[in-house]
Amino acid sequence: EAQVTQNPRYLITVTGKKLTVTCSQNMNHEYMSWYRQDPGLGLRQIYYSMNVEVTDKGDVPEGYKVSRKEKRNFPLILESPSPNQTSLYFCASSHLTPRQGGAETQYFGPGTRLLVL
Amino acid sequence: AQKITQTQPGMFVQEKEAVTLDCTYDTSDPSYGLFWYKQPSSGEMIFLIYQGSYDQQNATEGRYSLNFQKARKSANLVISASQLGDSAMYFCAMSFTGNQFYFGTGTSLTVIP
Repeated sequence: EAQVTQNPRYLITVTGKKLTVTCSQNMNHEYMSWYRQDPGLGLRQIYYSMNVEVTDKGDVPEGYKVSRKEKRNFPLILESPSPNQTSLYFCASSHLTPRQGGAETQYFGPGTRLLVL
Repeated sequence: AQKITQTQPGMFVQEKEAVTLDCTYDTSDPSYGLFWYKQPSSGEMIFLIYQGSYDQQNATEGRYSLNFQKARKSANLVISASQLGDSAMYFCAMSFTGNQFYFGTGTSLTVIP
């Protein structure tokens, strides 16, 4: 089954304790991306990657790191989480095509709810 | 700067009626893609429909159609024959050749029996 998986699905942590949210896709997609969703703000892109070892900042990259060492995996790292990073996080992936806008329709993971105390 | 706007925080529609969800965007990039996603209360993001900036015809997918008015920079979603299962949050989104994505703030649709 084609899917994007995220782990963990729910996480409660404390300020300053490093954490990693994993993301994996089995569709051989070139493009992967992380978003955070907050009430009233919609989804905002944190980082994206167009292929292995190629990552770029989205709209809200501060406080986050990513890496793309393998095509299927795109972990999100919070080196020193703070309460304002409490949010719902989505990972997504898609193929890249030359059509308008570049990335194709994104497949989303189930989301990770993070609470930073 | 790219920007995407959904001005309707909440909408109500009678079952079996059609409803239009508004989306406007602002960009100087001539090449872009427009997407609509549905997010039910369970939280997952479900792709509904796509329109490319150079596409001449409006996109349609079953009961969903995208009313693309390029000069007005609008990409409204039309849902025909609303069903109770259409109650959800709906997000408009844009992509660019730089492959960055922007989402609107969403519209909450409630279908009334």
